[in-house]
Amino acid sequence: GESVGLHLPTLSVQEGDNSIINCAYSNSASDYFIWYKQESGKGPQFIIDIRSNMDKRQGQRVTVLLNKTVKHLSLQIAATQPGDSAVYFCAENSKFTNTGNQFYFGTGTSLTVIP
Amino acid sequence: NAGVTQTPKFRILKIGQSMTLQCAQDMNHNYMYWYRQDPGMGLKLIYYSVGAGITDKGEVPNGYNVSRSTTEDFPLRLELAAPSQTSVYFCASSWPAAGHTIYFGEGSWLTVV
Repeated sequence: GESVGLHLPTLSVQEGDNSIINCAYSNSASDYFIWYKQESGKGPQFIIDIRSNMDKRQGQRVTVLLNKTVKHLSLQIAATQPGDSAVYFCAENSKFTNTGNQFYFGTGTSLTVIP
Repeated sequence: NAGVTQTPKFRILKIGQSMTLQCAQDMNHNYMYWYRQDPGMGLKLIYYSVGAGITDKGEVPNGYNVSRSTTEDFPLRLELAAPSQTSVYFCASSWPAAGHTIYFGEGSWLTVV
């Protein structure tokens, strides 16, 4: 089956520092990846996505890097703020699945920002 | 912007009871999904639908049923609730093609005692 996992279950960073959250995937056919942020008691919220024809994509204070060679994805958050404290999930899917637009989610990394 | 709306937000069920979690989306998405999230775990797909009248099983369908009579609504039915179904349930929707973002509701917290 599919496997999407994270290297670290928890991450603590000082306010103002940069955060890096990692994710590994196992399906080499995966061609679309998303990072979600989930605050306590809420549903996952879209942060940024990247397609397999790209290595890097930048948003507002966030950057996603994709290394297809080692099947690794990372989310970088610049100048981390207390409001960034949440669980971050990566998700991946493949246009070659025959089961609809199915995504596979990692367990998540809990990011805690220390004021 | 309503997006994906789930009800109820919280519910306590007794073992053996049944209930329906309601989900509605106003984005005209063809694809809809139900996920469950256990504490400290990722999201597991229960059922999904690629359009009105079409549903299919995900990774963990046992103990659940769904229907999709309209594009907007995708209710999840729990029959004979068991403690193992204590979880947070998320409904989601997306455009009908791979490579499109899934949008989630706020979640329904269900406890079976």
